[in-house]
Amino acid sequence: EPEVTQTPSHQVTQMGQEVILRCVPISNHLYFYWYRQILGQKVEFLVSFYNNEISEKSEIFDDQFSVERPDGSNFTLKIRSTKLEDSAMYFCASSTRRYQETQYFGPGTRLLVL
Amino acid sequence: AQTVTQSQPEMSVQEAETVTLSCTYDTSENNYYLFWYKQPPSRQMILVIRQEAYKQQNATENRFSVNFQKAAKSFSLKISDSQLGDTAMYFCAGDAGGTSYGKLTFGQGTILTVHP
Repeated sequence: EPEVTQTPSHQVTQMGQEVILRCVPISNHLYFYWYRQILGQKVEFLVSFYNNEISEKSEIFDDQFSVERPDGSNFTLKIRSTKLEDSAMYFCASSTRRYQETQYFGPGTRLLVL
Repeated sequence: AQTVTQSQPEMSVQEAETVTLSCTYDTSENNYYLFWYKQPPSRQMILVIRQEAYKQQNATENRFSVNFQKAAKSFSLKISDSQLGDTAMYFCAGDAGGTSYGKLTFGQGTILTVHP
């Protein structure tokens, strides 16, 4: 069964450093998403992406964040200058349609900012 | 859904018994989908079941079923014949569609522990 994959599984970085989190969505999916989950809190939507454009972003997704689909398979989330409060689990998801379609999640990347 | 609320932070059940996890939601949309996701200790998010709001019939997936009460905006998950592997955090989530463009809104989660 096809699945969403994410790398790395864990990343530790120093405050102020740039990090890139990578995702490979399911191959025939067209819509891509990033969510984050701060430890002990609910999962929060960050951004949705379709046709090489951001469809919607939350208030969390400020200028420090960017997303890109650099090739036909990868989908990346870049945090330009990490803050302590960016420490969280970051989930990538993908779906075949934008509306009311099941989103399939990857295993997550655990980011720790020191 | 625009807001999703899970009022049970923790639940426990004995193996082979039945447990129900509660979820309420609020949305101004007419067409929406609701989901239950499971997050085991590995923290991967796994889809358990989904319900389309336009369907009157409650969704069922093996031992998992939902009680969808549209008027009451309630969407509970019933797990029958609980197994040790069901131990996980369970999240209720909604996709209101409309202007939300596939943005899932999650509840706070319920930690379910299945005891042998």
